[in-house]
Amino acid sequence: SQQGEEDPQALSIQEGENATMNCSYKTSINNLQWYRQNSGRGLVHLILIRSNEREKHSGRLRVTLDTSKKSSSLLITASRAADTASYFCATDEGRNSGGSNYKLTFGKGTLLTVNP
Amino acid sequence: GAGVSQSPSNKVTEKGKDVELRCDPISGHTALYWYRQSLGQGLEFLIYFQGNSAPDKSGLPSDRFSAERTGGSVSTLTIQRTQQEDSAVYLCASSLVSSGNTIYFGEGSWLTVV
Repeated sequence: SQQGEEDPQALSIQEGENATMNCSYKTSINNLQWYRQNSGRGLVHLILIRSNEREKHSGRLRVTLDTSKKSSSLLITASRAADTASYFCATDEGRNSGGSNYKLTFGKGTLLTVNP
Repeated sequence: GAGVSQSPSNKVTEKGKDVELRCDPISGHTALYWYRQSLGQGLEFLIYFQGNSAPDKSGLPSDRFSAERTGGSVSTLTIQRTQQEDSAVYLCASSLVSSGNTIYFGEGSWLTVV
C-alpha cells in the first residue's frame, strides 16, 4: 500500500477560501515534501518539512507535521483559481548508508479545484 | 541545462514494440529517479540512480523494463515488448545527493501503447 495517502481525494472550493489537504504515512521518515502537479505533467516542489519540525510556512502555504500521528497537512490560504491542481505528499524513508540511498514515496494526491 | 529534460514528450507505439525514453538531469545532480504515473493515480517509483552506486531497481514492474545511466548524467528507460498496461506518463527527476534536497521533475514522457 502507499506510504503516503492524501485525504481528501478531491476538494472543490470557492476562490478566497482556504484549502486543507491531509497526508498520512506509515513508517518513520526523515522529511516530508509536498508537490503540485498541473494537468498530469511534471511535479513542482512546494515545501519540505523535516521530521524535527512541526510547522513551516511559505507564502500562502502552511504545512504541519505530527510525527506521533504520522500525518501532515497542507493549508493553502486565500485560494485562487490558479491553485487548481493535484497536490501530492512524498515521504523520504532515508536509508543513509555512507552517503545516501533513498527514494521518495508518493501518495495518490488530492485534486483541488478552486472555482472563480 | 536549466531543468530536467525528457524526450519524447509523447510516444504512441504498437503493442510488442520496444521504446526508449530519455532523461537529461540538471547538471551537477548525482541522484536520478524514474517514476511512472497512470491516469488519475499517484507516482509509482521505478528506479533510482545515485552516483556510481548500484541502482535501486526495486520498483521496476517486470524484466521488460530496464534503465541505464551513462557517465553519471543522461539516463534511458527502455521498455521491451510493450503492453497496453505500460501506457502511462513516465517522469524523470533529479536531485543533489543528500537526503532532504528538493527533487526536480521533468515534464514527463506520455506513452500510449495501442
